[in-house]
Amino acid sequence: QVQLQQWGAGLLRPSETLSLACSVYGGSFNDYYWSWVRQSPGKGLEWIAEINHTGSAKYNPSLKGRVTVSVDTSQKQISLTLTSVTAADAAVYYCLADPDSSLDDYIWGQGTLVTVS
Amino acid sequence: QPVLTQSSSASASLGSSVKLTCTLSSGHTSYLIAWHQQYPGKAPRYLMKSEYSGSFYKGSGVPDRFSGSSSGADRYLTISNLQSDDEADYYCETWDSNTRVFGGGTKLTVL
Repeated sequence: QVQLQQWGAGLLRPSETLSLACSVYGGSFNDYYWSWVRQSPGKGLEWIAEINHTGSAKYNPSLKGRVTVSVDTSQKQISLTLTSVTAADAAVYYCLADPDSSLDDYIWGQGTLVTVS
Repeated sequence: QPVLTQSSSASASLGSSVKLTCTLSSGHTSYLIAWHQQYPGKAPRYLMKSEYSGSFYKGSGVPDRFSGSSSGADRYLTISNLQSDDEADYYCETWDSNTRVFGGGTKLTVL
């Protein structure tokens, strides 16, 4: 069973760069699509970006230009970078694993609270 | 890109059943979707995937009280024999080759 462990800086100043990472334990790394999702206070879920084990990525158009997602298959790790943060980027950020097979479970990371102040 | 529409809130009595709806936008009505449950202050939890055909694939440990169904552009999450623990936010999600989107979520209150 796949488990996800997130980490990264939780307090940023405006204009700084957000950097988060998600380590994958167990399961087959190549059998998932890896996404970052965020949730602003009191709001719904917002998809940020997705990447697979080959490094093929897609991005939310509303954030494209500021966001980069990368994968390190040797370390079984996915990373997120968001530049020039503002107060609007303050949210809980989640790592999400979507399996290739409909018979397998999605896995959510524990979430990382990012404050911009 | 696809758009998912959910009612912002729903309520039902303890022990009854409730059917939450997620509607896919025109041109995307055959898409597979996923349902997620979220308690306040907690990470979401995957419930199931739901197909246009009406088939659904539940996640591990999801109670039998949870089921999925489909009719045209609508995907449904039905919760039977409602428990107080079912009071939560429920999100649907879909994806295509370019994007991934979430519905706005439905806040379920158990009366």
